[in-house]
Amino acid sequence: SQKIEQNSEALNIQEGKTATLTCNYTNYSPAYLQWYRQDPGRGPVFLLLIRENEKEKRKERLKVTFDTTLKQSLFHITASQPADSATYLCALVGGSYIPTFGRGTSLIVHP
Amino acid sequence: DADVTQTPRNRITKTGKRIMLECSQTKGHDRMYWYRQDPGLGLRLIYYSFDVKDINKGEISDGYSVSRQAQAKFSLSLESAIPNQTALYFCATSGLVGASGTDTQYFGPGTRLTVL
Repeated sequence: SQKIEQNSEALNIQEGKTATLTCNYTNYSPAYLQWYRQDPGRGPVFLLLIRENEKEKRKERLKVTFDTTLKQSLFHITASQPADSATYLCALVGGSYIPTFGRGTSLIVHP
Repeated sequence: DADVTQTPRNRITKTGKRIMLECSQTKGHDRMYWYRQDPGLGLRLIYYSFDVKDINKGEISDGYSVSRQAQAKFSLSLESAIPNQTALYFCATSGLVGASGTDTQYFGPGTRLTVL
């Protein structure tokens, strides 16, 4: 069965450092992968999308990589700030356009 | 005004009661979804609709039903609520981005439902 794995343990980092979050998957051939941010008690908000034939995407301080051989995406936030503290969800999307979400990883940026 | 709204935002009910959660959107999207989120389990799809006449079951549809009253409105009903339906419920919409062939979800603020 399809499986998406994100670190269940919170990632704690110091302000100014680069945060790197991981999304691994098995038994899936996604057309593209998305990253969302979710704050406590609120709905997820779309951040970035990367297609299967793209290696890297950037948006301001955010960078996403996608390795379909390793079946892994990495999500980086450079120069992290306390305001970046949230849960980050990856979502894989196949031909049906219905996303399958990972459980998310909590990021805590300490001042 | 928010693009995707959900009512109510919070609801406490008793076992056996019928509950309806409502979702409205102003994004003009054809596709609408209902998810539930439980601690440690992530987002799970309950039902989705690609247009007014198209309703599909998701991963966990048992105990739920939906109604797509219009392009902009999608309601979720719990016919006889039970305690393990206590969760955070999200409505989402999406629309295919033509040339890119991609689809991004826009979520509502959520409804926190407690079944006693």
